[in-house]
Amino acid sequence: NAGVTQTPKFRVLKTGQSMTLLCAQDMNHEYMYWYRQDPGMGLRLIHYSVGEGTTAKGEVPDGYNVSRLKKQNFLLGLESAAPSQTSVYFCASSYSGGSSYNEQFFGPGTRLTVL
Amino acid sequence: GENVEQHPSTLSVQEGDSAVIKCTYSDSASNYFPWYKQELGKRPQLIIDIRSNVGEKKDQRIAVTLNKTAKHFSLHITETQPEDSAVYFCAASKIGNQFYFGTGTSLTVIP
Repeated sequence: NAGVTQTPKFRVLKTGQSMTLLCAQDMNHEYMYWYRQDPGMGLRLIHYSVGEGTTAKGEVPDGYNVSRLKKQNFLLGLESAAPSQTSVYFCASSYSGGSSYNEQFFGPGTRLTVL
Repeated sequence: GENVEQHPSTLSVQEGDSAVIKCTYSDSASNYFPWYKQELGKRPQLIIDIRSNVGEKKDQRIAVTLNKTAKHFSLHITETQPEDSAVYFCAASKIGNQFYFGTGTSLTVIP
């Protein structure tokens, strides 16, 4: 069981470039999330998904897009990177809602620098 | 939406002393309150959680208390050790909903 994995681990972009971050989980979780972590700001939710084919906006969605074509994968896209998007990005997944309380399992993170 | 505030932002304690971190939340419908520990350069990991139908929960040296009326919950670490040094995050959530995290507390345990 690999848990939650993220690709790549590090990336440097120039302003205006695009890229996609991949998150994969092998725990058959329904819910998946993308967060960014900045110093002193905690974890802020960018987008999340409650199941295959669904996406929803979180607290800081501007400048990002996501897709959940397969249950096990959640992609985060930056169409035109800006220096303000320099951050550490964490993906997480959890069991579905319903009557369950949901521990989130985090991936190892992707450190992105936009020059 | 939910608003979670966490205090203090930094905390230094002597080894063996206790550490307390407090969080408040705004949405009275929130009913799940996890605490995550993040070591430097690592991913956040769940250390303890509490549901809204419980007032206190303990796990060895770690305990969490919840006051639903006042809408606050706290993490208590007793007999602190150097390996407890990390950033701790609280969060609040409703069943099947997104999580709202506090801004984190950087705990340093001085040997």
